[in-house]
Formats: sequence, structure tokens, C-alpha cells
Amino acid sequence: AQKVTQAQTEISVVEKEDVTLDCVYETRDTTYYLFWYKQPPSGELVFLIRRNSFDEQNEISGRYSWNFQKSTSSFNFTITASQVVDSAVYFCALSERENTGGFKTIFGAGTRLFVKA
Amino acid sequence: GAVVSQHPSRVICKSGTSVKIECRSLDFQATTMFWYRQFPKKSLMLMATSNEGSKATYEQGVEKDKFLINHASLTLSTLTVTSAHPEDSSFYICSASRQADTEAFFGQGTRLTVV
Repeated sequence: AQKVTQAQTEISVVEKEDVTLDCVYETRDTTYYLFWYKQPPSGELVFLIRRNSFDEQNEISGRYSWNFQKSTSSFNFTITASQVVDSAVYFCALSERENTGGFKTIFGAGTRLFVKA
Repeated sequence: GAVVSQHPSRVICKSGTSVKIECRSLDFQATTMFWYRQFPKKSLMLMATSNEGSKATYEQGVEKDKFLINHASLTLSTLTVTSAHPEDSSFYICSASRQADTEAFFGQGTRLTVV
């Protein structure tokens, strides 16, 4: 069965600090997708990144970077030089193919990030 | 990216009435749409998966007679909460994908309050 664990419930940092959000997943499949989403206080979900299971290259997008390690089943997310606007709940998600052929996505519990000025 | 529009964004209804939430893919055809529910300060829980033209697949524990899902076209899926009760108050979010194995795009969510 699929499982996504975000062990950090809340993280509080001071502006300009770097912060890493952890995500560990479980899946039986060899083909799967991993995602990170941001949910600001307004409630909408903002897509940040999608990674397929065959692409272990780390990615950097501005202040955001992702470290995908299949050996440890982790897909961690780092924000460099955090800003107050980064304050939000961040969800890691896993999409795995079901018996029906389609993909089902489940979300981790989320990590609430507070960035203080 | 693709746009998914959810309507209404907020709704208040009386206990015992039914309320319909729409999820539209505005610039692409969505073969698959998903409905999630999010309780305050909790994660998104998948309620059901709907494929155009077929019956929705509900997750364990989700009452399909309570939460009616219709995916009548490639651009529209609806979730109807029937005989709503205060405990149905929640944030409901839909997502849509072009194909089963591609990225899903999320609507902005609907906050339902049952009074």
C-alpha cells in the first residue's frame, strides 16, 4: 500500500534561514510519481514539483531544491534563505498505479512552516 | 499550467439540504478527476476517483450515497453532498488530469459550512 510520511508537523524558522522538509514514502511499484504542493493560508493548493521514479536527479528552482533518494525512499524539500511568504503548509504526495491502470495520489500529513521576520 | 476551476468557492447550507460542487477543467480534457476532503489543519483525504463516462470509485469509508459524484463530460465533474449535516462541513478540493499517469491540477477548493 502507498504511504507518505512527513514526520515534521510544524517547523518554525527565522527569515533567511534554510529549512528542509522531510518526506519518506512507501510503495510496491517501480513506476510512481512524487509531488510537493504548497498550501498557503488562503487554502488553494500550489503545485511545486513532480518527479517520476526513474529520474533521481536533484532539482533546483530558485530558492527551492529537492533531493530524491530512492535508496532511502525519501524526497526532501529545501528552501534556501526562507522568506515570510514561504509560510504555508507543505504537502508531499505519492502517485502510484492501481490495478485499474489509473494512478491514485495520496498525500502526507503536511508540514506547517512558519517563517518569522 | 492547466486551469481547473471549482465552484462555488464557499457555500453555506442548512442541515438536511443538498449542495453541489462543480469542478471544471478549463483548457484541457480531463479523463480522470479526483475529489478530496480536508479537515481543518489536516491533510487531504482522497474521497473518490471519477473517470469520464463511468461510475466513480470511492475510497474505503466514503459513503457513495452521501457523496454523489458525476463525471458526465471530459471537462466537468460534480460532487453533491446529499442531506448535509454539520459534520460534512469541510474543505473539498478537486483535481483533474489529462491522462491517468500525468500531473493532476487542483481547483481552488470549496469551503462548505453546514448550519
